Amino acid sequence: EAGVTQFPSHSVIEKGQTVTLRCDPISGHDNLYWYRRVMGKEIKFLLHFVKESKQDESGMPNNRFLAERTGGTYSTLKVQPAELEDSGVYFCASSHWEETQYFGPGTRLLVL
Amino acid sequence: AQSVTQLDSQVPVFEEAPVELRCNYSSSVSVYLFWYVQYPNQGLQLLLKYLSGSTLVKGINGFEAEFNKSQTSFHLRKPSVHISDTAEYFCAVKNAGGTSYGKLTFGQGTILTVHP
Repeated sequence: EAGVTQFPSHSVIEKGQTVTLRCDPISGHDNLYWYRRVMGKEIKFLLHFVKESKQDESGMPNNRFLAERTGGTYSTLKVQPAELEDSGVYFCASSHWEETQYFGPGTRLLVL
Repeated sequence: AQSVTQLDSQVPVFEEAPVELRCNYSSSVSVYLFWYVQYPNQGLQLLLKYLSGSTLVKGINGFEAEFNKSQTSFHLRKPSVHISDTAEYFCAVKNAGGTSYGKLTFGQGTILTVHP
């Protein structure tokens, strides 16, 4: 069974540009989460999808971040326009109806 | 609100020595507890979890953790480490009430470095 995949693995962009991150969860997992780790800080929750619906988006930092999960399969996280403080590692995780979340390898974003 | 504190940011240890990575949490409700490990250039992998029952939980790769409710701790231990255990370790909690799904709250991570 394939694990959670994320694309791209790395992204380097300039301040003001737009970046879109993609996450493909484990097949059949209705729950999809986004987390972020800013350098030197803890991993922080961004939002949670149940199928295509946003269950909890309390961790989204501001309206420059837009997450979608059309059709309840893969998800995208768009940052527009990107700022320096958006740099970090963005993790995606998925789960079935259980407590364990399975994480992807992350996307390393650097905003210059 | 919940918070997790990993008391050591870095733990150096020699191969075959025992190790303990400390984790304390704060929560006004019951929680589930997790330890994840991140090897270099990989994603987070679940080591073990405590949901209920026995407070001593055994996980993969010879790790175990003990839930102490009175001290709100969930320390991770291994009696004899290997070079391959070098990685970053994360303690996390999740609200145990209501549904089985929901966000994780993480600690800051502990980098374990095993020296030959």
